[in-house]
Amino acid sequence: QVQLVESGGGVVQPGRSLRLSCAASGFTFSNYGMHWVRQAPAKGLEWVALTWYDGSHKYYADSVKGRFIISRDNSKNTLYLQMNSLRAEDTAVYYCARDSVDYSYTLDVWGQGTTVTVSS
Amino acid sequence: QSALTQPRSVSGSPGQSVTISCTGTSNDIGTYNYVSWYQHHPGKAPKLMISDVSKRPSGVPDRFSGSKSGNTASLTISGLQADDEVDYYCSSYAGSYTWVFGGGTKVTVL
Repeated sequence: QVQLVESGGGVVQPGRSLRLSCAASGFTFSNYGMHWVRQAPAKGLEWVALTWYDGSHKYYADSVKGRFIISRDNSKNTLYLQMNSLRAEDTAVYYCARDSVDYSYTLDVWGQGTTVTVSS
Repeated sequence: QSALTQPRSVSGSPGQSVTISCTGTSNDIGTYNYVSWYQHHPGKAPKLMISDVSKRPSGVPDRFSGSKSGNTASLTISGLQADDEVDYYCSSYAGSYTWVFGGGTKVTVL
């Protein structure tokens, strides 16, 4: 079945870096754009970044622009989020999500998330 | 990229209907008919319930319906069931390949 599994979360000090991964299965990964979305404790969801199906175009929320890098390896069916210069406000559950081809501008399949805690 | 505004909670008795509002601006909901709604059990993957304002993906019960007027979108759950007691989030495309989400609404079945 269609599945997304995030990994790589953990506790990291402010200013340090962390890389998240999202392993995709059950669909042709290289045909889909992919997103990262996060949810800080007791807060709503926040869109973080998008990469096109081939990695040729990338878009970021203002809150992470210049610090985070979204990338993908279609040969490994894996999406990445390189997070640099981490701040306390980056503490959140990070979800990867698939950009739908059936519906416009819709994230149609999500993973269960991986938790990132930025703390000294 | 301001968040969409949702009520923190709504409640209803089994069998009744509840409506969750999602208010944005002319930069997102007011311009684009790309509003989605997600059901989210904490610790699990969010589930797409409504896309493109009012389209129901396969497998979503027709008790769930979506609409939009101006800068506000709405999700209505008819025939409320105990299983519906969970968090719901709205989302809208905001142009230039960016998205905004709401703060989430907890539905309580009385």
